[in-house]
Amino acid sequence: GQQLNQSPQSMFIQEGEDVSMNCTSSSIFNTWLWYKQDPGEGPVLLIALYKAGELTSNGRLTAQFGITRKDSFLNISASIPSDVGIYFCAGQLYHTDKLIFGTGTRLQVFP
Amino acid sequence: NAGVTQTPKFRILKIGQSMTLQCAQDMNHNYMYWYRQDPGMGLKLIYYSVGAGITDKGEVPNGYNVSRSTTEDFPLRLELAAPSQTSVYFCASSSGTGEGQPQHFGDGTRLSIL
Repeated sequence: GQQLNQSPQSMFIQEGEDVSMNCTSSSIFNTWLWYKQDPGEGPVLLIALYKAGELTSNGRLTAQFGITRKDSFLNISASIPSDVGIYFCAGQLYHTDKLIFGTGTRLQVFP
Repeated sequence: NAGVTQTPKFRILKIGQSMTLQCAQDMNHNYMYWYRQDPGMGLKLIYYSVGAGITDKGEVPNGYNVSRSTTEDFPLRLELAAPSQTSVYFCASSSGTGEGQPQHFGDGTRLSIL
């Protein structure tokens, strides 16, 4: 089945550092979403992107919809311990009702 | 608002048993989805529904059945549980698939088949 390539798979960083992760696909998407999942909970939407080239921020988080429509990036600035979790990208293919999810980036932040 | 509510939160089944995972949403969303999440993996779509009375297969529908008799509820049925169905199951809903209509998720049901 189709799945997005998300990298890195995991990150271990120190509090205060910036974080970058990305998703790539061979298919073109018309929507990119970034979710965060805390242990024992469902994914929670962080940022939604609907236009190629769009750059959107949510507090310390910034995400971009790639110009080619085949990739997206998420940056977290000045990480804090509560940023710990798994981050998923998800893309919606043109003319479909379904999302394709990335395999996740597991983020660990050390004080 | 409760959002998307899934029950039970945990369940252990024996091989061959059947069960129904419940999902309810109180946001009047037309679209509802069932995903499974295996360890270290992303979410894979099992079934989805675009409205009451309408269901469609996702990427991994084998071994599951769904029904959508009301807008609020979208139960997932396992008829003959198999070890390969050990996973975390997430239900989600959305008002549509366009801009400003993202999917909202429940907290999941952790299912073990022994």
